[in-house]
Amino acid sequence: AQSVTQLDSHVSVSEGTPVLLRCNYSSSYSPSLFWYVQHPNKGLQLLLKYTSAATLVKGINGFEAEFKKSETSFHLTKPSAHMSDAAEYFCVVSETGRRALTFGSGTRLQVQP
Amino acid sequence: EAGVTQSPTHLIKTRGQQATLRCSPISGHTSVYWYQQALGLGLQFLLWYDEGEERNRGNFPPRFSGRQFPNYSSELNVNALELEDSALYLCASSRERGGNQPQHFGDGTRLSIL
Repeated sequence: AQSVTQLDSHVSVSEGTPVLLRCNYSSSYSPSLFWYVQHPNKGLQLLLKYTSAATLVKGINGFEAEFKKSETSFHLTKPSAHMSDAAEYFCVVSETGRRALTFGSGTRLQVQP
Repeated sequence: EAGVTQSPTHLIKTRGQQATLRCSPISGHTSVYWYQQALGLGLQFLLWYDEGEERNRGNFPPRFSGRQFPNYSSELNVNALELEDSALYLCASSRERGGNQPQHFGDGTRLSIL
């Protein structure tokens, strides 16, 4: 069985400071991992994906994530937060073949001016 | 390229009624997925359709059903609506069945049960 744990339900940063959103996963097989962002009353937008290639994955809007198998982690980072980054972020795991995504509980990112 | 489109945006029903939600995938995508995002329960997988067939199902009762049409669009039907069915229903689509192509989401249908 697969599962995802997002370690922080809320993260608040100041504009221009780094962002770190933490995610740990559990999977019986080699997983694919994703980060999605959801703005209020909107669907989910794919930020980036890891599918067993490079362990450091670059995504859209300056976000990146590093896959660390030894720590079963896939933390999302951004060097400098922007006001428009305020949203809910979901760490997601998918096992090859099942195609059903398992979502973390989400981290709400607040960006203070 | 047009994204995943869902209709209606909002749907208000009463207990015991039936609801039909619709989804059009991105052109070229053959797989359609349905998810429920209920307050306090997070995002949960409902159904996966590919090439017109149901391929996988989440832990939901049989009154949640759907189908995929030859043009790959999909319907989600919820029968005998209950108050706890109030949620945002998200549809996603992806390319071919094999591998782990990312899923692209629509903006959802907000279903409210009175």
